[in-house]
Amino acid sequence: DTEVTQTPKHLVMGMTNKKSLKCEQHMGHRAMYWYKQKAKKPPELMFVYSYEKLSINESVPSRFSPECPNSSLLNLHLHALQPEDSALYLCASSQDAPLRHGPTYEQYFGPGTRLTVT
Amino acid sequence: GQQVMQIPQYQHVQEGEDFTTYCNSSTTLSNIQWYKQRPGGHPVFLIQLVKSGEVKKQKRLTFQFGEAKKNSSLHITATQTTDVGTYFCAAPVNNNDMRFGAGTRLTVKP
Repeated sequence: DTEVTQTPKHLVMGMTNKKSLKCEQHMGHRAMYWYKQKAKKPPELMFVYSYEKLSINESVPSRFSPECPNSSLLNLHLHALQPEDSALYLCASSQDAPLRHGPTYEQYFGPGTRLTVT
Repeated sequence: GQQVMQIPQYQHVQEGEDFTTYCNSSTTLSNIQWYKQRPGGHPVFLIQLVKSGEVKKQKRLTFQFGEAKKNSSLHITATQTTDVGTYFCAAPVNNNDMRFGAGTRLTVKP
């Protein structure tokens, strides 16, 4: 099974709502990622989890809160978002997390959650 | 911070024509990856290049890593409509997190 699943596929939320995005993989990968992708732009890295611990946080606003309950699951909790946060949110996983001067690994992406903030 | 520059931004070709996208870095890269994202889809890993001057082929796709490991290219021979999508390079920068180039959006006219 080389699939990364994400739910929901689409989400519309108001600026005062609290919602969560979910991601799951069963490939035994030890690294999981959250990316944000705006239309016609490349994916932007938000968070990296390595062995269930947050290893990289790319200066993301606190209204985005990641959580890694176990090695197969990754959540992104959303609260008090702004309309400019509307985007495709992609989850990815890889065999391991990249280390400084070490190898990098191919990333398997999920289909994404298309988020609209009204 | 460090960036990987990718050109061109768009490329429109007639089916059967060739296509090339280029990525450049001002610093030496330890490796570079290539991904393809179909319209409405998600990025899919194509290949990783690690060695200086490395050339890898996948059917009609040829990937190259420069001798100085500062540039890379993806060349598609005789494009088909199934090649449509955005091609991204990605390379480790800063803390070794992968940064994506801006992408080259390929459209193919049948």
